[in-house]
Amino acid sequence: SAVISQKPSRDICQRGTSLTIQCQVDSQVTMMFWYRQQPGQSLTLIATANQGSEATYESGFVIDKFPISRPNLTFSTLTVSNMSPEDSSIYLCSVEMGAEQYFGPGTRLTVT
Amino acid sequence: SQELEQSPQSLIVQEGKNLTINCTSSKTLYGLYWYKQKYGEGLIFLMMLQKGGEEKSHEKITAKLDEKKQQSSLHITASQPSHAGIYLCGLRGSNYGGATNKLIFGTGTLLAVQP
Repeated sequence: SAVISQKPSRDICQRGTSLTIQCQVDSQVTMMFWYRQQPGQSLTLIATANQGSEATYESGFVIDKFPISRPNLTFSTLTVSNMSPEDSSIYLCSVEMGAEQYFGPGTRLTVT
Repeated sequence: SQELEQSPQSLIVQEGKNLTINCTSSKTLYGLYWYKQKYGEGLIFLMMLQKGGEEKSHEKITAKLDEKKQQSSLHITASQPSHAGIYLCGLRGSNYGGATNKLIFGTGTLLAVQP
């Protein structure tokens, strides 16, 4: 299994600002994923981040709004840019190890 | 339409009772994941089922995959307050023509266990 940590665990931000969320894994992994869970909803994949290449975004998500970095095999960041109240969600990073996928504890973001 | 439907949406049981949560797909099932989520927190991996007929158990939780019904069931025996939370099933995106390692999640089942 993998131990995944995220920072910050929660934040309250003002409309129009940006927040960068960090995800750290205790072992090297090829693929990392960023998901969003809006209030009362299930999880939706934002993008897949591979080390050394551009992130691959799902339909409805764009790089300008959710830029992602993947500088090495144990770390990734997701930035939520120019935030609006609709961005209030839990953001979770995930890694794949073999056939299993593990999730971090999540970052609870509230935009006012 | 929702590709993965879970039932029931919510469930309240008395401690010690058994319960079953179902996850039904509109497509074939290959690579079905079960997770537990405490309110507002991350997902805890429970188990993953690869193919039809497979059954796995961990402590008092058993998951099965019925390929013909396109359904997976999660059964908890002798429930305890620690079992309370949201149970989510996830399916590999390749079942829907998407990327293999992308997970599509069900609607979730909220479980409360009364002492």
